[in-house]
Amino acid sequence: GAGVSQSPRYKVAKRGQDVALRCDPISGHVSLFWYQQALGQGPEFLTYFQNEAQLDKSGLPSDRFFAERPEGSVSTLKIQRTQQEDSAVYLCASSLDWLAGGGSYNEQFFGPGTRLTVL
Amino acid sequence: GIQVEQSPPDLILQEGANSTLRCNFSDSVNNLQWFHQNPWGQLINLFYIPSGTKQNGRLSATTVATERYSLLYISSSQTTDSGVYFCARPINYGQNFVFGPGTRLSVLP
Repeated sequence: GAGVSQSPRYKVAKRGQDVALRCDPISGHVSLFWYQQALGQGPEFLTYFQNEAQLDKSGLPSDRFFAERPEGSVSTLKIQRTQQEDSAVYLCASSLDWLAGGGSYNEQFFGPGTRLTVL
Repeated sequence: GIQVEQSPPDLILQEGANSTLRCNFSDSVNNLQWFHQNPWGQLINLFYIPSGTKQNGRLSATTVATERYSLLYISSSQTTDSGVYFCARPINYGQNFVFGPGTRLSVLP
């Protein structure tokens, strides 16, 4: 596609519910990133995939957060037993693999985000 | 840890004015990006600029990696320039970004 897409754009969940957020990266982009943005703050890293391999999940705040990218394209971020502090905008970004790009070119392109509100 | 600072935190301009936003970082970079987050929350790529100077219309950016800062210039500002401007750089090569706290710009008609 022309850009990174995310769905749903808005999600309201009751505390304790499970949610799944989807990201479709730019076609051909090997790297995929998830970020969490709280109100009034900058995005914070959650996890990173290169193809289907999850190479860094150091930013996931708890074991309730789980991400996958089974075929190296679409990714899903799942949050189990949601809590009010999970309310935020979840942003997905993709980039060309810097090795495939022929050097250190690793510009990230962001999707519109999913705004999650946990009541 | 890696630090990214931005100044000023808030900026109010009259339409037509020029401005300079600054991004300081704590160590050398192999990549730096400037983003504009519009009022609807979309992060829009402005510049990929690990070093040197680039221009795109009314916007330009300069990164001096050896002195660990980058500047974003906005000339003849318009109300549509309002929003939050972030700079971001990777922690590791090709991996996740650390974002600065942002500069919130309001351009008044």
